This record gives sequence, structure tokens and C-alpha cells, in this order.
Amino acid sequence: GAGVSQSPSNKVTEKGKDVELRCDPISGHTALYWYRQSLGQGLEFLIYFQGNSAPDKSGLPSDRFSAERTGGSVSTLTIQRTQQEDSAVYLCASSFTRRAAYNEQFFGPGTRLTVL
Amino acid sequence: QQQVKQSPQSLIVQKGGISIINCAYENTAFDYFPWYQQFPGKGPALLIAIRPDVSEKKEGRFTISFNKSAKQFSLHIMDSQPGDSATYFCAANLPTGANNLFFGTGTRLTVIP
Repeated sequence: GAGVSQSPSNKVTEKGKDVELRCDPISGHTALYWYRQSLGQGLEFLIYFQGNSAPDKSGLPSDRFSAERTGGSVSTLTIQRTQQEDSAVYLCASSFTRRAAYNEQFFGPGTRLTVL
Repeated sequence: QQQVKQSPQSLIVQKGGISIINCAYENTAFDYFPWYQQFPGKGPALLIAIRPDVSEKKEGRFTISFNKSAKQFSLHIMDSQPGDSATYFCAANLPTGANNLFFGTGTRLTVIP
């Protein structure tokens, strides 16, 4: 079975441009997460989608960042007017959510974003 | 506020040695403590996990030690190998709420031959 896939694997853009990063979660997984990992740093939570519920956007660092999830499956993370400090690896994860239980997150390989 | 504190930030171990990574938490509501392993260019993947009702869990060369009273847990890698070189994240899970998995800041392990 296919795991979580992300595209593109690498993205180089110029400062001020908009970028879109795509995540295809594991089929049947209702929860989807976006994280940011700067060089040598930990996992910074960005946004969380659960089914048809309103997303938890509490980790988005600025209003330049937004994400959507269409049809409860594919998700797109958009960064507008990119800045050099946005350079990082953007990781997507999905999980099959069960209430009051540990729900293992399965991660994609990430998109490495470089803003020149 | 960092819910899970992890140390050290980086670790260098000789082949055959023991690698030890430590994590601490404050929220006693956490009910599951997984460790994730991340190789360069890959996403993190679940390595081993423990529930707070046991003090130790062993899978091959990997062992989690859990001290509930101290609110600490650690990952021990016995007979460390160069192939174990990766970044390791501890995490803690809440049984309720939406986004309920909190990660440590990660430890970059290098095992030298």
C-alpha cells in the first residue's frame, strides 16, 4: 500500500513568490497534519485537519500561510509572498483517528523549500 | 511552551556503544509515549512506543525506560551501529483533544565506526 506522498520533493523559489505544496495522505486516514522542520531543528506543528471539522490552525506562523483539504483527502499548503526564513522541509503526516487512543502518524518524505 | 523536553540535541557514539536519549514531560494526562526515527531525506517513522503502566519496553536493540514518578522516559540503543545514525524524536500523546501528539525537539545521533 502507498504511504503518504508529497510533491514536489524540492522547490526553489524567489523571495516574494507564492508556493503550493501538496500532500496525498494514506487512503482512509481521516486526520492530516502539516509540520515544518528547519535545518537541524525539531518538528514545528503548523495545521491539523480532522474529517470535516474546522482545522486547527494554531501553529501557522503568519497569515501568509494557509492550507486546505479537499474532499477529506488531498491537502495543499500555500505560502504567499515567501521569505527566506520560510526555507525549511515541510512534512505532512496522516493518521487513522480513533477516539481516546494513540493514533500513529505516518509521515511523508517532505518537501524541501528553498527561498532565494 | 515545550510540552516535551528532549536532550541531548546531538550525540556521537562509537560503534558497539550505548546511545541514550532522554525526555521529560509535565502533563500527567499523557497516556502514550512513542519514539520516532528520521533518516536524512525521509520523514519520521514510528520506532517504538510505551504506555505509562509499564517501566520498560524492549524491541531488539531498542529499549524505552519509563519513570512515571519522575515524569521522564528515555531511549536506549544497545550495540549502536552506523545504520542507527538518524534523528530521534520522543513524543507524548493526550487521550483527548484534536491535535494531541507533542514532539520533543529531536536528537541527532551519529554512530562512528
